[in-house]
Amino acid sequence: SAVISQKPSRDICQRGTSLTIQCQVDSQVTMMFWYRQQPGQSLTLIATANQGSEATYESGFVIDKFPISRPNLTFSTLTVSNMSPEDSSIYLCSVSRGPTNEKLFFGSGTQLSVL
Amino acid sequence: AQTVTQSQPEMSVQEAETVTLSCTYDTSESDYYLFWYKQPPSRQMILVIRQEAYKQQNATENRFSVNFQKAAKSFSLKISDSQLGDAAMYFCAYRTMDSNYQLIWGAGTKLIIKP
Repeated sequence: SAVISQKPSRDICQRGTSLTIQCQVDSQVTMMFWYRQQPGQSLTLIATANQGSEATYESGFVIDKFPISRPNLTFSTLTVSNMSPEDSSIYLCSVSRGPTNEKLFFGSGTQLSVL
Repeated sequence: AQTVTQSQPEMSVQEAETVTLSCTYDTSESDYYLFWYKQPPSRQMILVIRQEAYKQQNATENRFSVNFQKAAKSFSLKISDSQLGDAAMYFCAYRTMDSNYQLIWGAGTKLIIKP
């Protein structure tokens, strides 16, 4: 398994501001991912955080809105920029493990509310 | 494109009884992974069980087992001796065997345990 620490656990933010979410893993991992879970919905992949290169974004997500850093193999940040109420969601960091990296393990998530 | 369907938005079961959550999927692949994840009110996504499509034997993890019917593209989760701590959202997910790490998620089933 993996121990994943995600901070903050929740925040209430004002429209137009930015929030940076941190994800720390207890050991080096190749693959780190950021997900969004809108209220009552399933998970949507935002991007794959690549160490040493730019993140790979999924359709509908752009770097200007969700800049990601991955300075090393145990840490990543996701910033939600210029927030609006539509950004109110749970944001989850995850890493892959297993013989073929098939298992995903998740942090405890960040509950974001934008007023 | 692959899809995952969970047709039961909500299920309830009496404590100590057995409950089965349904999941069907659509794919043209012959090899893939299937997962059940649990998300309690704490928000953290927890891997419950994993099945590799090329293995005919159904996966089992303590009180959790699956009924994997490859031809029918069905992957149900059976929870035996239900406990209050099993109350959560349960998500079924699919992943191909290649290096694309994205999971395809079902919409989730809310499981209620009645004391």
